[in-house]
Amino acid sequence: SQTIHQWPATLVQPVGSPLSLECTVEGTSNPNLYWYRQAAGRGLQLLFYSVGIGQISSEVPQNLSASRPQDRQFILSSKKLLLSDSGFYLCAWSPPGLAAGTQYFGPGTRLLVL
Amino acid sequence: EDQVTQSPEALRLQEGESSSLNCSYTVSGLRGLFWYRQDPGKGPEFLFTLYSAGEEKEKERLKATLTKKESFLHITAPKPEDSATYLCAANEAAGNKLTFGGGTRVLVKP
Repeated sequence: SQTIHQWPATLVQPVGSPLSLECTVEGTSNPNLYWYRQAAGRGLQLLFYSVGIGQISSEVPQNLSASRPQDRQFILSSKKLLLSDSGFYLCAWSPPGLAAGTQYFGPGTRLLVL
Repeated sequence: EDQVTQSPEALRLQEGESSSLNCSYTVSGLRGLFWYRQDPGKGPEFLFTLYSAGEEKEKERLKATLTKKESFLHITAPKPEDSATYLCAANEAAGNKLTFGGGTRVLVKP
């Protein structure tokens, strides 16, 4: 069976500091991978998605970036965090291919920027 | 622009009091309509996928239905453990991205 991991679970960072959130998937090959942000009490906003190693599509222009160095690893980064970057960050995977299969979510990372 | 709107934003139910959640969507050629359950502080948990108007799916006390413009999530005789935020999302035919609604927070009181 497939499992998805995210770490850290919680992170408190000062404004202007760098960020690196990691997501890994087990039990599948060449998955589509996604990063979402969820503000308090709101829906999910798609930030980035990837259909393969090194292939990243950005949905929202901001100071965040994503990378996919390995088939089942997806990393969300920032060089300098802003207060507005606070939120709940979710990674998800779906079966490979362009047809949108069901997306399965990880446990999330709660980020607080102070 | 693709839009997914959920109503109501919040729903308070007594245990056993059945109700329905609405998800209306405007997408260019719906490829799939997805329902998720999200508990506080956790990632969304997949519930259902619906592909065509008239389709219905059930899981325990939950039943999802789909029309050409909207989807409903019916909760029959809810229990306190059904308390959660329910999210719906739509996928348009042109790509593999999901557009999420804002969610409905459901609280079931014993």
